[in-house]
Amino acid sequence: DAGITQSPRHKVTETGTPVTLRCHQTENHRYMYWYRQDPGHGLRLIHYSYGVKDTDKGEVSDGYSVSRSKTEDFLLTLESATSSQTSVYFCAISEVAGFVYEQYFGPGTRLTVT
Amino acid sequence: QQQVKQSPQSLIVQKGGISIINCAYENTAFDYFPWYQQFPGKGPALLIAIRPDVSEKKEGRFTISFNKSAKQFSLHIMDSQPGDSATYFCAASGVNRDDKIIFGKGTRLHILP
Repeated sequence: DAGITQSPRHKVTETGTPVTLRCHQTENHRYMYWYRQDPGHGLRLIHYSYGVKDTDKGEVSDGYSVSRSKTEDFLLTLESATSSQTSVYFCAISEVAGFVYEQYFGPGTRLTVT
Repeated sequence: QQQVKQSPQSLIVQKGGISIINCAYENTAFDYFPWYQQFPGKGPALLIAIRPDVSEKKEGRFTISFNKSAKQFSLHIMDSQPGDSATYFCAASGVNRDDKIIFGKGTRLHILP
């Protein structure tokens, strides 16, 4: 898992509550990503980070914010959770491999918004 | 133009058979084509990848075939085994650090014992 952990692994929350998911990596990777995975949609990029305090939006960023105050931690926050944000969330890092940048994923967080 | 279209959505193959999953892309700037394998409850894992300077790449029972002119690539799993049952994602990207990986929607493969 390229030294990536995610917490919590499972969470059930109510509509309207804030939720923060944590991604932690131990190998000093500069680039980190948050994806969501939904049946029929594959993996979609929410936000990514290219360094401490440097973040940018992905394809499906509405309703999500991120923060990266340390190289090893990338936090994803749902400001006010909605049922449409029920999903499995994956964190990833990228590392150089020859002429390309390979992405490696964490184990995922299953979030249910009731 | 940023899409990667993957087919079929699901596939059932007999043990020992060949599993074939196809993908197509439109963006000619894509220059790196990885495949990911995902088991239930786990994160996607990089399985094999190809760049368009070669038409085929083989690693064990897994082969990527690449057709640059048709903008298509496929994953072949030879001698498919029940342990290969998983969801497979094709993807495409440029090779620059800031290029995003675009994923296909996935193929759920089931190998019958």
